[in-house]
This record gives sequence, C-alpha cells and structure tokens, in this order.
Amino acid sequence: KQEVTQIPAALSVPEGENLVLNCSFTDSAIYNLQWFRQDPGKGLTSLLLIQSSQREQTSGRLNASLDKSSGRSTLYIAASQPGDSATYLCAVLSGYALNFGKGTSLLVTP
Amino acid sequence: DGGITQSPKYLFRKEGQNVTLSCEQNLNHDAMYWYRQDPGQGLRLIYYSQIVNDFQKGDIAEGYSVSREKKESFPLTVTSAQKNPTAFYLCASNALAGGQETQYFGPGTRLLVL
Repeated sequence: KQEVTQIPAALSVPEGENLVLNCSFTDSAIYNLQWFRQDPGKGLTSLLLIQSSQREQTSGRLNASLDKSSGRSTLYIAASQPGDSATYLCAVLSGYALNFGKGTSLLVTP
Repeated sequence: DGGITQSPKYLFRKEGQNVTLSCEQNLNHDAMYWYRQDPGQGLRLIYYSQIVNDFQKGDIAEGYSVSREKKESFPLTVTSAQKNPTAFYLCASNALAGGQETQYFGPGTRLLVL
C-alpha cells in the first residue's frame, strides 16, 4: 500500500523567507503527484500537479519537484507571505484515487 | 460558476441515527470521491465512483454507504454502524478516475455527534 509522509509536520517562518516542504512516498509506480493547500475548516485547493514523466512544475512563487526513483517531492515557496499560512498536503495517484500525506502546517509571521 | 457543493456545512447526529451528506458537481466529471479527514491526519478514502450506478469501497468504507444514480450527485450516508463518525468529510471529483487531471474539492461537511 502506498504510504505518503510529509516533513516537517509544522513550520513557522518570518515573512520573506524562502522555504521547502518535503514529501516522500513508498511506491514509485505513480501516475502523478499533487500539492494542495487547505485553509482551516475549508476544502482543498490544487496548487501544482506533476505528471510522472515530469521533473518539476512552477506557478508564481511556487515550485514543485519530483524525483520518482527516490520517492521524493519538494514544494519550494519563495518570498513567503502571511497569506501563505495554511496546511499544505501532498498526494500521489497510483491507482484510481489519491493517497495523501498528513500535511505540513505553515505559519508565516509578519 | 462550475464547482462542487456540499451540504450541510455542519451536521449533528444522534446515536443510532443515519445521516446523509450531499455532494453535487456541475463540472460534468465522471469520477467522484468521498474522503474523511480527522484532526492532524491526511485524507482517507471512503468510497469512489467512476461512472453512474457504479461505486467502489475505499480504505475505510465500513459504516458508510453511497449511491450514484446521477452523474452530478454522489451522496454519502453515515450509518449507525459507524461508531466514530465525528470528522470533516470532503467530496471531490475529476474528469476520469485515475486520470491525469487534478481533483477538485468541495468545501466540506463537519459531522458532530450529540
């Protein structure tokens, strides 16, 4: 069974810092990997989707990389802002549905 | 606006009662999913449906039931057999199960036990 792990579980940084969130998965036979954002009490918003044949995707200040052979992905957030405060979830598609990590709770302080 | 709606936002269940959570999408997606989220946990799959009149159990289906009579609707019933139903329930959809597109999520329903 696919297991997805996210490190760290929580992170607090001052505004303006660049930061990296980590995701690892146990089975490299995946179709894609997705990063989501979740605000408290809300649903999930898709940030980036990386197909299994791709190495990275970029959207604005966000960059996600994928190393399928080692079972790792990173989400890089540049020049963090207080509005980036949320929980970030990593999920891999290796069957008909996504397998999620437990998330990284990010707090960006002014 | 295209999207997924879930209702109600909050739902209270009495012991021994069955309750139904609504999920509707107007994205013309074939695949729909129900996830459960507990505090500090990732999402766990309850049921999914690839097409109308067909659905499959996920990792934690015990105590839950679903139906898929219409493409746009995928209601979830939490039965009295589910002994620990307090959680945040999220519905999602994408164009095709196992497809390469992202999943879209609804705003969620928080279920509480009285």
